[in-house]
Amino acid sequence: GQQLNQSPQSMFIQEGEDVSMNCTSSSIFNTWLWYKQDPGEGPVLLIALYKAGELTSNGRLTAQFGITRKDSFLNISASIPSDVGIYFCAGQSFNEDQLIWGAGTKLIIKP
Amino acid sequence: KAGVTQTPRYLIKTRGQQVTLSCSPISGHRSVSWYQQTPGQGLQFLFEYFSETQRNKGNFPGRFSGRQFSNSRSEMNVSTLELGDSALYLCASSPHGQFSGNTIYFGEGSWLTVV
Repeated sequence: GQQLNQSPQSMFIQEGEDVSMNCTSSSIFNTWLWYKQDPGEGPVLLIALYKAGELTSNGRLTAQFGITRKDSFLNISASIPSDVGIYFCAGQSFNEDQLIWGAGTKLIIKP
Repeated sequence: KAGVTQTPRYLIKTRGQQVTLSCSPISGHRSVSWYQQTPGQGLQFLFEYFSETQRNKGNFPGRFSGRQFSNSRSEMNVSTLELGDSALYLCASSPHGQFSGNTIYFGEGSWLTVV
């Protein structure tokens, strides 16, 4: 079946640094979604992408729908302590009827 | 408007028992999906219901079942609980379901501990 490769698996960063993570798929997707999950809570939608090449921002977060339609990127600028959590990507291809999920990127800010 | 509501938030069960979790989707949403998340793991898809019909099912044993009512509220049931069923169970709703590329919105989850 389809798989999403999300990387990195975890990141240790300093407050104020920029963060980048990405997801790649084995097939073409028509939808990419990025979620953040705080400890003990359900994932919260950050950004939704529906068009190849689309670049969408939500505050300090920016996500892009790759032009090959097989990847997506999430960038966080000037990280702050509340950015810690697990970031998940999810995607859907034309011939699938459910979302495919990445394994998550755990963001940890060094004290 | 109210978000996705899941009850109970926390529960402890004994091996061999059964459990029922409830989910009320966002008003107007007709699709409800269920996911299992074990500590440190990603989201494992259980099933999706749309207009009272199961539309999709993940790779879970038959002990995991669900249903959806006419008001779109959904329940999932796990019978003969095993220790490995301890997890955060997440419900997500969307207007028309995952197949149409709709974004899905999660509840806070139900934490199940099996002892």
